[in-house]
Amino acid sequence: EAQVTQNPRYLITVTGKKLTVTCSQNMNHEYMSWYRQDPGLGLRQIYYSMNVEVTDKGDVPEGYKVSRKEKRNFPLILESPSPNQTSLYFCASSLKQKTGANVLTFGAGSRLTVL
Amino acid sequence: AQSVTQPDIHITVSEGASLELRCNYSYGATPYLFWYVQSPGQGLQLLLKYFSGDTLVQGIKGFEAEFKRSQSSFNLRKPSVHWSDAAEYFCAVAPNNAGNMLTFGGGTRLMVKP
Repeated sequence: EAQVTQNPRYLITVTGKKLTVTCSQNMNHEYMSWYRQDPGLGLRQIYYSMNVEVTDKGDVPEGYKVSRKEKRNFPLILESPSPNQTSLYFCASSLKQKTGANVLTFGAGSRLTVL
Repeated sequence: AQSVTQPDIHITVSEGASLELRCNYSYGATPYLFWYVQSPGQGLQLLLKYFSGDTLVQGIKGFEAEFKRSQSSFNLRKPSVHWSDAAEYFCAVAPNNAGNMLTFGGGTRLMVKP
């Protein structure tokens, strides 16, 4: 089944304890992206990647890192989490079509709580 | 930069009633437009999209949306709501050369009364 898989789905951690949220897609998509969802703010883009070894900042990159060493994986790294990073995180991927008519496929989400 | 406004944070409708969720966007040209639905505890599912052509777009689950360039709107409609439609709905806009570079609205939470 074509899908985007995120892990963990739920995580409670403490301030300053490094964590990684993994994201993997099995659709051979070039483009991958991370969003965070907060009440009333919708989804905001954290980082995105156009292809392997190519990453760029989105609208809210502070406090996050990403890497794209393989096409299928795009982990989100919180080096020193803080309570304001408590949120619901979504990974998404798509083909990179020349027409631009790309459609994102989203993962199920990862709910992170930082105490 | 593009932006999206969903004026209604919460909407409650009775089952069987019609529904319209509002979405207004700001973008310099004709954008790509999307509606996504998020059921409780679930990820985002694409309901429908507009890239070009017919301004009335049909989607899944009986939803449709109409692109009105003059009003910069892309409102979502359904003639008869079912209890299973209770969810949060997100409108999103993207540049017309990069449909994956989405900017989302704040969302509208739909509640359905029996």
